[in-house]
Amino acid sequence: GNSVTQMEGPVTLSEEAFLTINCTYTATGYPSLFWYVQYPGEGLQLLLKATKADDKGSNKGFEATYRKETTSFHLEKGSVQVSDSAVYFCALSETGGGNKLTFGTGTQLKVEL
Amino acid sequence: NAGVTQTPKFQVLKTGQSMTLQCAQDMNHNSMYWYRQDPGMGLRLIYYSASEGTTDKGEVPNGYNVSRLNKREFSLRLESAAPSQTSVYFCASSEVPIRSEQFFGPGTRLTVL
Repeated sequence: GNSVTQMEGPVTLSEEAFLTINCTYTATGYPSLFWYVQYPGEGLQLLLKATKADDKGSNKGFEATYRKETTSFHLEKGSVQVSDSAVYFCALSETGGGNKLTFGTGTQLKVEL
Repeated sequence: NAGVTQTPKFQVLKTGQSMTLQCAQDMNHNSMYWYRQDPGMGLRLIYYSASEGTTDKGEVPNGYNVSRLNKREFSLRLESAAPSQTSVYFCASSEVPIRSEQFFGPGTRLTVL
């Protein structure tokens, strides 16, 4: 079946540092890939997505590129802020019916001054 | 627009008690989902409803039932709560077609003693 593997956290960075959160996936078809963000006490929000190989999703300074050859969708940001502190989830959607999402376990990011 | 709303926000049950978690969306979405979030396990799909009038099991359906009351509302019922069902429950909705974003509610934190 489908699965998503993320790097374990927490990841602690200083403000303005470069961020990479690794995500790899296993899927039988051609999934869409997503990064969701969860701020403390809230539900998940879509951060960015990519629907086919070599697509780059971007939003709020975050980027991720759909790499079919390495089955990866790593999240990057050039300069993090304290306000980026949250839990980040990588996810894929099946190509079959229902638009079901398979999530990774989440990576907590803490950004300090 | 309220988006996806969930009630209650918090609930404490005793083992064996029953309860229903309510979810409603005002975005005219066809598909709705129930997930549970547990530490170190990401989000796991309990049940989903691809369209009004249909429901299907997800990854962890045991101990739960659902009702798609109408296009707006999708409820999750615990008939006889167990401590293993202590979790944070999220409802989500999405449009069809496939690969579209899912919108999440704020969650219900359930504790079963």
